[in-house]
Amino acid sequence: EPEVTQTPSHQVTQMGQEVILRCVPISNHLYFYWYRQILGQKVEFLVSFYNNEISEKSEIFDDQFSVERPDGSNFTLKIRSTKLEDSAMYFCASSTQGTTYEQYFGPGTRLTVT
Amino acid sequence: AQRVTQPEKLLSVFKGAPVELKCNYSYSGSPELFWYVQYSRQRLQLLLRHISRESIKGFTADLNKGETSFHLKKPFAQEEDSAMYYCALMDSNYQLIWGAGTKLIIKP
Repeated sequence: EPEVTQTPSHQVTQMGQEVILRCVPISNHLYFYWYRQILGQKVEFLVSFYNNEISEKSEIFDDQFSVERPDGSNFTLKIRSTKLEDSAMYFCASSTQGTTYEQYFGPGTRLTVT
Repeated sequence: AQRVTQPEKLLSVFKGAPVELKCNYSYSGSPELFWYVQYSRQRLQLLLRHISRESIKGFTADLNKGETSFHLKKPFAQEEDSAMYYCALMDSNYQLIWGAGTKLIIKP
């Protein structure tokens, strides 16, 4: 059964550095999402992406964040200059159609900013 | 403000006992509600959503607009039900708003 994959599983970076988190959505899916979960806190929506552009973004998704689909398979989340508070689990998800259709999640990337 | 509340961080029941995981929401429109589950060392996966009104793995959830609740229920818990359960609401901007999650432990 096809799955969403994410790399790396764990990323450690220093404050101020740029990080790119990678996701490979399920191949026939058209909608892509990023979520984050700070340890001990709720899962939070970051951004949704469709047809090569951002559909929706939350207040968390400020100018430090960007997303890209550089080729037909990858979907990336870039954090330009990481802060300590960016330390979290980042989940990618994809769905065949948008809105209320089932979102399939990747295993997550744990980002640790030191 | 839009909000999903899961009042129990941890729920522990014996195998064979009924389970009810509580979820309350605050939302001004007509909500789309979901339950997601995360088994140990596995990814988040959709358990059920209220619009499909289905029963998955013996779990059901009924939307009660009067009480603004979407509690998850199962009449007889099984050990394999032990997991983290998240209630989520989709808002008008198609963003999923998540509850804090309830860790369900089924004791043998």
